[in-house]
Amino acid sequence: DGGITQSPKYLFRKEGQNVTLSCEQNLNHDAMYWYRQDPGQGLRLIYYSQIVNDFQKGDIAEGYSVSREKKESFPLTVTSAQKNPTAFYLCASSIGLPTSNTGELFFGEGSRLTVL
Amino acid sequence: GENVEQHPSTLSVQEGDSAVIKCTYSDSASNYFPWYKQELGKGPQLIIDIRSNVGEKKDQRIAVTLNKTAKHFSLHITETQPEDSAVYFCAAPQRASTNAGKSTFGDGTTLTVKP
Repeated sequence: DGGITQSPKYLFRKEGQNVTLSCEQNLNHDAMYWYRQDPGQGLRLIYYSQIVNDFQKGDIAEGYSVSREKKESFPLTVTSAQKNPTAFYLCASSIGLPTSNTGELFFGEGSRLTVL
Repeated sequence: GENVEQHPSTLSVQEGDSAVIKCTYSDSASNYFPWYKQELGKGPQLIIDIRSNVGEKKDQRIAVTLNKTAKHFSLHITETQPEDSAVYFCAAPQRASTNAGKSTFGDGTTLTVKP
């Protein structure tokens, strides 16, 4: 089945360590996104990529990094510079941009990161 | 950028009653308004969306209405069932070309349907 796969589902990290969250899609979508979700808050955009080898900062990019070397993959690295990394991270993809007729976001099941 | 406000933050209804969630937005150029449903421990999933050239859209028990003049859109769920219990998010994409990949989400509404 086509969809978005995020791994790992749960991740524990010690302070000062970098960690990379995986996101793979087989929907042949051009655009991919990373969102952060905190309790009682909406989804906040970390980074997004409209095409391979290109990505843009979202609203809360500080302390995060991404790469888009392949169309199917958009990994997110949470660096030690991120002050409050404990959160639920969601990866999404779409055929086109949200402003277009093909703007529906398809989400993965999320990765829950806990910093000990 | 776009500012989206969603109300209420929590909503509890009896099974069979209707539920209404409202979102307001700030960018008058916004033209696409989706609603997502997120079940516990899962990613959000699109349940209905509306474009600015229509005022209402229905899909079985779910409907969305849009008032462009007042800059608000609402999700209506009729004949609610326990499986409708979830967190619902509205979103509005940013129109400026420099922000074309961004959607601003509301803070979510936790809907509980009591059997």
